[in-house]
Amino acid sequence: NAGVTQTPKFRVLKTGQSMTLLCAQDMNHEYMYWYRQDPGMGLRLIHYSVGEGTTAKGEVPDGYNVSRLKKQNFLLGLESAAPSQTSVYFCASSYLAGQTGELFFGEGSRLTVL
Amino acid sequence: SQKIEQNSEALNIQEGKTATLTCNYTNYSPAYLQWYRQDPGRGPVFLLLIRENEKEKRKERLKVTFDTTLKQSLFHITASQPADSATYLCALVTGGFKTIFGAGTRLFVKA
Repeated sequence: NAGVTQTPKFRVLKTGQSMTLLCAQDMNHEYMYWYRQDPGMGLRLIHYSVGEGTTAKGEVPDGYNVSRLKKQNFLLGLESAAPSQTSVYFCASSYLAGQTGELFFGEGSRLTVL
Repeated sequence: SQKIEQNSEALNIQEGKTATLTCNYTNYSPAYLQWYRQDPGRGPVFLLLIRENEKEKRKERLKVTFDTTLKQSLFHITASQPADSATYLCALVTGGFKTIFGAGTRLFVKA
């Protein structure tokens, strides 16, 4: 049982380049989330999805887009990367939202924008 | 403004002692509070959840308290072991679909 899988694990981009981070979960979870983690700032929610075909903005959505075409996948896109987007990105999923919805995290994707 | 504060300084304790980590929040009315463990280079892992109407929750060597009047949660690890060394994250579930995280406290347990 793989849980939540993120690809790629590491990526270096130049300013202005685009890329997509892929998150896949095999737990049949309805809810999926993208967070970024920066030193001293904790995890901040970028976008989330409450089901296939739906997406919503989180706390820091600017510069990112997402898609949830299949229930098991949640893609995070950077159209024009900026150095401020250098961070570690975590995908998470949960069976239930809020309440007892513990989050299951992937191992993270470390992105550096030069 | 809304804030979740955890001790930014690392906590160093001796093996066998009880580690106590603090989570304070302002301008939130969380329905639930969660604690996660994060090891270097890994994703957070869920440990415990406590509801607003619960004062205390235990799981093996872990104990969490939740005081909605003080707006504070305490996380205790009893009989600590070097393997407990990690960063511990506090998270508030405010309703809807959003879980808000603190920056975490790094714990070092010396043998």
